[in-house]
Amino acid sequence: KQEVTQIPAALSVPEGENLVLNCSFTDSAIYNLQWFRQDPGKGLTSLLLIQSSQREQTSGRLNASLDKSSGRSTLYIAASQPGDSATYLCAVQDNNDMRFGAGTRLTVKP
Amino acid sequence: DAGVIQSPRHEVTEMGQEVTLRCKPISGHDYLFWYRQTMMRGLELLIYFNNNVPIDDSGMPEDRFSAKMPNASFSTLKIQPSEPRDSAVYFCASSLEARSSYNEQFFGPGTRLTVL
Repeated sequence: KQEVTQIPAALSVPEGENLVLNCSFTDSAIYNLQWFRQDPGKGLTSLLLIQSSQREQTSGRLNASLDKSSGRSTLYIAASQPGDSATYLCAVQDNNDMRFGAGTRLTVKP
Repeated sequence: DAGVIQSPRHEVTEMGQEVTLRCKPISGHDYLFWYRQTMMRGLELLIYFNNNVPIDDSGMPEDRFSAKMPNASFSTLKIQPSEPRDSAVYFCASSLEARSSYNEQFFGPGTRLTVL
């Protein structure tokens, strides 16, 4: 059974800092990995989708990498802003279903 | 496109009452998913449909839960009778594909259910 772990559970950084969020999964037989953002009381917003054949995806200040063999993905946020404060979840799609990590709660202080 | 639409956004009910949650997927998406999010268990897949047909309902917690998709633009998740432990946020999501590299899921805003 696929298990997805996100570390750290919470992170607080000053504005302008670059940061990395980590996601690990136990079964490397995946179709893709997706990073989401969730604001308090809101739904999930898709940030980046990395297909199993890809190594990374970029969107603006966000860069996500995927290392299937080691079961790891990172989400890099450059020049963080207070508006980036949210919970970030990674989700892995395998042959059974999509499994989510518990998320990293990010706070960017002005 | 307006994205995935869910209603109601909030629902407060008493134990034993029937609850119906509604979802309209993104037009053209063949797959629809129902998830439940709680602090204790995070996000869990309950059931998903392909072309209106339920494919995998192994995540449905018990017989009190049922889901239907009568057409491509509408789905319901029903809980009867509801219990306090059903209190959670229920999300609907849709995608063009499932179980493929191209499966990108788009989520609705969720329904926050409180059962007293």
